[in-house]
Amino acid sequence: GAVVSQHPSRVICKSGTSVKIECRSLDFQATTMFWYRQFPKQSLMLMATSNEGSKATYEQGVEKDKFLINHASLTLSTLTVTSAHPEDSSFYICSARGAPGNEEKLFFGSGTQLSVL
Amino acid sequence: DAKTTQPPSMDCAEGRAANLPCNHSTISGNEYVYWYRQIHSQGPQYIIHGLKNNETNEMASLIITEDRKSSTLILPHATLRDTAVYYCIVSGGNKLVFGAGTILRVKS
Repeated sequence: GAVVSQHPSRVICKSGTSVKIECRSLDFQATTMFWYRQFPKQSLMLMATSNEGSKATYEQGVEKDKFLINHASLTLSTLTVTSAHPEDSSFYICSARGAPGNEEKLFFGSGTQLSVL
Repeated sequence: DAKTTQPPSMDCAEGRAANLPCNHSTISGNEYVYWYRQIHSQGPQYIIHGLKNNETNEMASLIITEDRKSSTLILPHATLRDTAVYYCIVSGGNKLVFGAGTILRVKS
């Protein structure tokens, strides 16, 4: 089946620093990837849709200058949390739409737990 | 995308079938019903999806009513490892918007 790899799985950083999270589709090309965040005991919240070779589309209320998304290739999308603050501490999860034949499905990475001190 | 309604939690005995209901009364003709589950601190796992016909795979069965306004996910023989949050999502095939889901607790 399709595999989405997300790295790192856990990161701790100081307030004010930037953190980059990578999302890779390992055995298929993903023209569209999605980024979610999840707070403890809450559901996943869609942050943005990442399209290869074009600007990301952000959901209402998500600061695009705060959460920079780059989808430079068909297998890699990155989320950079800029000038991170404690309130950005969350579980970040990426997903990718499957290859032709599986394009109706989204496959998810294992998530990144970000802790900002 | 249409909204879904799920019970907040359910219990199931190990080895028995777990039947998880989902209401999606505003579903439109081109929207699929998806089921994912999430085990604590992991990314969601795809289970099954369908348009209007019932579907079955190695993990579960999906029963969609004829009017498509509701569906049921069936785990035929629940195990302790099936304890998770189960999300029913309706989508036209682009992005998936998650609701609160159902916490399924499988008990021995």
